[in-house]
Amino acid sequence: LAKTTQPISMDSYEGQEVNITCSHNNIATNDYITWYQQFPSQGPRFIIQGYKTKVTNEVASLFIPADRKSSTLSLPRVSLSDTAVYYCFLSYNTDKLIFGTGTRLQVFP
Amino acid sequence: EPEVTQTPSHQVTQMGQEVILRCVPISNHLYFYWYRQILGQKVEFLVSFYNNEISEKSEIFDDQFSVERPDGSNFTLKIRSTKLEDSAMYFCASRTGLVNTEAFFGQGTRLTVV
Repeated sequence: LAKTTQPISMDSYEGQEVNITCSHNNIATNDYITWYQQFPSQGPRFIIQGYKTKVTNEVASLFIPADRKSSTLSLPRVSLSDTAVYYCFLSYNTDKLIFGTGTRLQVFP
Repeated sequence: EPEVTQTPSHQVTQMGQEVILRCVPISNHLYFYWYRQILGQKVEFLVSFYNNEISEKSEIFDDQFSVERPDGSNFTLKIRSTKLEDSAMYFCASRTGLVNTEAFFGQGTRLTVV
């Protein structure tokens, strides 16, 4: 499975835009890029998935450059409730999700 | 929105006792999973289940663990003889298929072995 690398932690303040980048130099042609979010003491939750360019939903945007070797999860105007761990995955026809350490986002007032 | 339901939310058990963690996956899902997360650590894959049999299991999933889908709705994880190091959050997940489909996770069962 192709490996992903993301920062261990990030800090932000309420109202700011947060961008979390995930590196995946060995992404395969069929791989999609998927992000999950995990709040403390809760199960992970799907946020967004994309293949190329830009995907936007009510929670976040996902930016994927043409070479697809990285991707950026963008959270607009974060609030305290966005404090969570964010995980980046590559997936096409994969059974299990293999969780890394993710990026721990701490939002301050 | 459909959800995966886990019971109990918290289970305390004595070392050596058997525990059964229960999950009700989303009704039209075909693939089922158990994960665990020891406090402060990563989410770890335990087992995947499809078509009434285990499709893959991790090294953690040794002989003291077993899974069952006893009826059309429940999916259970049994730990036969609990150890202190089994204390963790256990998450059940389900999905409709494998190709780029979202995995839905339950809220977890916090297992405390004393």
